Amino acid sequence: AQKVTQAQTEISVVEKEDVTLDCVYETRDTTYYLFWYKQPPSGELVFLIRRNSFDEQNEISGRYSWNFQKSTSSFNFTITASQVVDSAVYFCALSLSGSARQLTFGSGTQLTVLP
Amino acid sequence: EAQVTQNPRYLITVTGKKLTVTCSQNMNHEYMSWYRQDPGLGLRQIYYSMNVEVTDKGDVPEGYKVSRKEKRNFPLILESPSPNQTSLYFCASSPNGGFIGYGYTFGSGTRLTVV
Repeated sequence: AQKVTQAQTEISVVEKEDVTLDCVYETRDTTYYLFWYKQPPSGELVFLIRRNSFDEQNEISGRYSWNFQKSTSSFNFTITASQVVDSAVYFCALSLSGSARQLTFGSGTQLTVLP
Repeated sequence: EAQVTQNPRYLITVTGKKLTVTCSQNMNHEYMSWYRQDPGLGLRQIYYSMNVEVTDKGDVPEGYKVSRKEKRNFPLILESPSPNQTSLYFCASSPNGGFIGYGYTFGSGTRLTVV
């Protein structure tokens, strides 16, 4: 069975610091998708990124970047120059073969960015 | 605007009083699903539906019912709510029979408190 581990339950940083959120996954399947979602205090889930197992290219989107490493089964998320508005719970998720029925979420990391 | 709409956004109820949380999507998606989110557990799937009149249990179905009489609607029914069903609930939908490699749209969430 697949598993997603977000070992960092809570992280606090001061504004403008860089912060990396860790995500380690377990699966024996070769075809899978990885996701990151942001959940701000208002509660909704905001989609951030989707990656399939055949695409190990790292991605940068503004202050956000993602490092996908199959060798270590990790899909880490870095926020550069953090801002107070980045304060949220961040979820990593794994889907086998891209199936919603095979979607597993990590337990989430609460990020607090202090002014 | 393409979206998944849940109602109500917040609900406080008493033990044993039947309630329904509605979910509607305007994207003609075949696949719809309900999740609950609890601290430290991420999101867990309650029920899902592959299409009209086709529903099945997810990972935590006990105490819940669903129906899918129309493609756009997928209500979640709690016949006799109990305090352990206090949680944040999300409805989600996707096209392509539940393949989420191209997208998975979540509603804004319903925060339910059962006293």
